[in-house]
Amino acid sequence: GAGVSQSPRYKVAKRGQDVALRCDPISGHVSLFWYQQALGQGPEFLTYFQNEAQLDKSGLPSDRFFAERPEGSVSTLKIQRTQQEDSAVYLCASSPWGTALREQFFGPGTRLTVL
Amino acid sequence: KNEVEQSPQNLTAQEGEFITINCSYSVGISALHWLQQHPGGGIVSLFMLSSGKKKHGRLIATINIQEKHSSLHITASHPRDSAVYICAVRREYGNKLVFGAGTILRVKS
Repeated sequence: GAGVSQSPRYKVAKRGQDVALRCDPISGHVSLFWYQQALGQGPEFLTYFQNEAQLDKSGLPSDRFFAERPEGSVSTLKIQRTQQEDSAVYLCASSPWGTALREQFFGPGTRLTVL
Repeated sequence: KNEVEQSPQNLTAQEGEFITINCSYSVGISALHWLQQHPGGGIVSLFMLSSGKKKHGRLIATINIQEKHSSLHITASHPRDSAVYICAVRREYGNKLVFGAGTILRVKS
C-alpha cells in the first residue's frame, strides 16, 4: 500500500552544506508534520502544514531550517549551512484530517549525519 | 521537567510475561497516542485515546485524565514485541504532538 515515503533514507553532509529532505504523504492527507529525533530521544515537533499553509513552525530550531509544501502534497524540509547538532532522524507524518483528534501516519524517516 | 515522562526507560522481559509501560504528562491534552518504533526508524501508531481503555489483540491502553496518566499493557509478550514504545500527547489547543523519550522493550525467548 502507499504509505508515507521519505527520501533520501540516509544523507551524509559535510558541515556547512545545504540539504533537502523530501516527504511524500499519503495521497489526500490534509495535515503534514515534520519531527526531529535525536539519537536515544523521542521525536520533537518541527512544523505543521494544513494543505499548503504552514500553520505552526514554532519547533524549527533556527532560521537555517525551512519547510515548504507548495501544492499541498509533497513537502520539503531544507536545512542550510548544516551543523553537527543537526544530525538526527527527520520524520514526516501525515493525517487525513485537519482537526486535532486524528491518527498520524509516519514515514520511515531520513537519517541525516553531518560530519 | 519534561511535559511527558515515561517509565521505565528500559525493560527486559521473558517471553510470555505481562508488560506495563507508564506515561505521565503535565499539560492539558486532547488526546494521547501510543506509538511503536522498530530499529530502522519506522513508527507505527498503536492507539489514540482521550478517555477510558482500548484493546487491540494483545495490547491494551488505558488513560486516567484526572491523574494525567496512561499505561500500555502487553499480554503474553513475544520477542517480536521488542521495540521502542513512545507515548505522545496532543496539547489541548493545537495540532502538534509532544513525545516522551520512549521505553526500550526487549523480550527474550
